[in-house]
Amino acid sequence: EVRLVESGGGLVQPGGSLRLSCAASGFTFSNYWMGWVRQAPGKGLEWVANIRQRGEERVYVDSVKGRFTISRDDAKNSVFLQMDSLTAEDAAVYFCARWGVPAGLDIWGQGTMVTVSS
Amino acid sequence: QSALTQPPSASGSPGQSVTISCTGTSSDIGAYDFVSWYQQHPGKAPRLMIFEVTKRPSGVPDRFSASKSGNTASLTVSGLQAEDEADYYCSSNIGNHRYVFGPGTKVTVL
Repeated sequence: EVRLVESGGGLVQPGGSLRLSCAASGFTFSNYWMGWVRQAPGKGLEWVANIRQRGEERVYVDSVKGRFTISRDDAKNSVFLQMDSLTAEDAAVYFCARWGVPAGLDIWGQGTMVTVSS
Repeated sequence: QSALTQPPSASGSPGQSVTISCTGTSSDIGAYDFVSWYQQHPGKAPRLMIFEVTKRPSGVPDRFSASKSGNTASLTVSGLQAEDEADYYCSSNIGNHRYVFGPGTKVTVL
């Protein structure tokens, strides 16, 4: 079964850091671009970051540039999102997803919730 | 970064059709044939319904179709069924492997 499972969400204070993980199974992880998408409570989807195969390219939405870092470990079939200098605007459910078709996220995890509050 | 616009809501009776628009600019929808559509039920992860403007992934019913003209993409759901009631989001490539989502349209089956 093709599957993505996120972990690492939780409550963090403003200015703090959090590292999200996403474990992939059921497909050849190293062959795919991977991405993170977030959804604030009651709001729409927002693309956050993408990473190319072998980590050769990383791109970010402007609002997280310089604060978030996407990375991957193909040996562990995992993708990560290091989030620093968190603000209340970063509070959301964070989804990990696979770019399995051209410009399409075909496999999604269940999401992990990030809460930023003092 | 660029923003896409969608109507906040759309509705139709069972068996009818509903069309959702997604309007961008010549820098996103108008520039690339990389428009996708996602369905999201409450509390669930999104599901890819359409990619590359018109293509359906395996398992998506052919009641779902899509098109693009200029800077506007559209998703049509024909033969509406109760399970089609959900939020629908368009997405477009904006260059250099970056993407933007529309604000979403809530589809109600009357």
